[in-house]
Amino acid sequence: AQKITQTQPGMFVQEKEAVTLDCTYDTSDPSYGLFWYKQPSSGEMIFLIYQGSYDQQNATEGRYSLNFQKARKSANLVISASQLGDSAMYFCAMRARPNSGGSNYKLTFGKGTLLTVNP
Amino acid sequence: KAGVTQTPRYLIKTRGQQVTLSCSPISGHRSVSWYQQTPGQGLQFLFEYFSETQRNKGNFPGRFSGRQFSNSRSEMNVSTLELGDSALYLCASSLPSSAGTDTQYFGPGTRLTVL
Repeated sequence: AQKITQTQPGMFVQEKEAVTLDCTYDTSDPSYGLFWYKQPSSGEMIFLIYQGSYDQQNATEGRYSLNFQKARKSANLVISASQLGDSAMYFCAMRARPNSGGSNYKLTFGKGTLLTVNP
Repeated sequence: KAGVTQTPRYLIKTRGQQVTLSCSPISGHRSVSWYQQTPGQGLQFLFEYFSETQRNKGNFPGRFSGRQFSNSRSEMNVSTLELGDSALYLCASSLPSSAGTDTQYFGPGTRLTVL
C-alpha cells in the first residue's frame, strides 16, 4: 500500500534558525505528487509546497524548500529562518494511484511532525 | 479568490443522530475530497467527487456518504452517529489536472462532537 512516513513526532528550533522535517514515501506509481501542509492549532490545513515526481529541480516557495531525493524516496521540508508563527503541525502527503492498480489518484498523509519555534 | 468554505464550523450531536456537513469549493474547482482527522487515526481519506460522481472512496462504513451538486458544492452525511465519529472533518478542492497530481486546498474544517 502507499505509505508516508514522518519519523519525527516533534521538533524544536530556535527562532531564525533553519529546520528540516523528514518524510519518506512508498509507491509504485511513476507519476506522483508530494505535498507539505501546515496545520496550526486552528485546524485549517494550509498548502505549503509541491514536488512532482518528474520535476528535475527541488521545489522552493519563499522560506520553504523541498529536498527531493527520488532514489531514496525522500521529500524533506526545509524551513529557513524560522519564525514564531511557524509553530504548527506539518504533514507530508503524497498523491498517487494505488499500488494495486486503478486510475484514481488518492492523497495519503503522514502522521505529522509538531514543530515548536522557541524565541 | 475566496477559499474553501465549510459549514457549520462546530457541531454537537448525540449518538444515533445523523449529520450533514457542507463544503463549497474554490471557484472553478471541480473536484472535492473529504477527510476525517482524529488524534488516534490521523488524517483519513473518506471520498472524492468530480463532476457529481464519486470517483474514489476510502475505507469507511456505509454510514458515511456524500454527494456533489452541479455547482461543485458537496455535502457529506453521517447516519447513526457513534462516539468514534467525533473528529475534525476537512474538505478539500482541486481543479483537477489531467495528471491527477493536482494540489488540494483545504477548508477550515467542521469539528463534530458526538455525545
